[in-house]
Amino acid sequence: GQQLNQSPQSMFIQEGEDVSMNCTSSSIFNTWLWYKQDPGEGPVLLIALYKAGELTSNGRLTAQFGITRKDSFLNISASIPSDVGIYFCAGPPGGNQFYFGTGTSLTVIP
Amino acid sequence: DAGITQSPRHKVTETGTPVTLRCHQTENHRYMYWYRQDPGHGLRLIHYSYGVKDTDKGEVSDGYSVSRSKTEDFLLTLESATSSQTSVYFCAILRGGNTDTQYFGPGTRLTVL
Repeated sequence: GQQLNQSPQSMFIQEGEDVSMNCTSSSIFNTWLWYKQDPGEGPVLLIALYKAGELTSNGRLTAQFGITRKDSFLNISASIPSDVGIYFCAGPPGGNQFYFGTGTSLTVIP
Repeated sequence: DAGITQSPRHKVTETGTPVTLRCHQTENHRYMYWYRQDPGHGLRLIHYSYGVKDTDKGEVSDGYSVSRSKTEDFLLTLESATSSQTSVYFCAILRGGNTDTQYFGPGTRLTVL
C-alpha cells in the first residue's frame, strides 16, 4: 500500500515555541490534508492543500504543498496548551482512496 | 460538523460473535469510508462506498464486510469478531466538488475479548 512517512513521531515543546512537522509520500499526491485528533475524538480537518507550491494558513497554522507533490509541511506558531494532540497528514495518490501518516504527537509544556 | 454519527460509540463483545457498526450521515454525500485506527498504524482504510450498493475494499478488508442500502447509512460488519479486530473505528464522508476533503465521525471503540 501507499507509504506516508510523517516526522517527527513526537514532540515536546515549551508553550510559545514554534512547531514544524512534515510528511513525505512514495508517490505524487494531488491533495494534501492535515488533521488534528484529540483523545477520544475523530480527526478534525485543519488545512487542505490542492496545488503544488500552495501555502495556506489557518490562524497560527501554516501548511505547504511541496513542489515535488510528494511532501507537505505543517507549522504551528506560538504554541499554546490546546495545541496538544496528534497531527496527521493525509491525501489521495489518485482516485478517492485516502492514505494517512502515522501521526505526530505534540505535547506543549506550560 | 459534517453531520456524521456513529453507533454504538463503545462496544465490548466476545470472540466469534457478529458485530455491526453503523455510520449515518445527513448531508447526502456519495462517498463514505470505514477506517480502523491502531497505535503505530495511523488510520487504515477497511472499505469504502461510492454510492448505494457500490462498495470496494481498502487496505485491511479481511474479516470485514459492508453494506449500503441507503445513501445515509453505511454499515460495517464483523462476521465473527477476533481479538485482532479490537480497535477504534472511524467513519468518514467525502465532501466533494472541486476540493475533495474527508470529514470524520466521532468513532466507535470496539473491544473483542
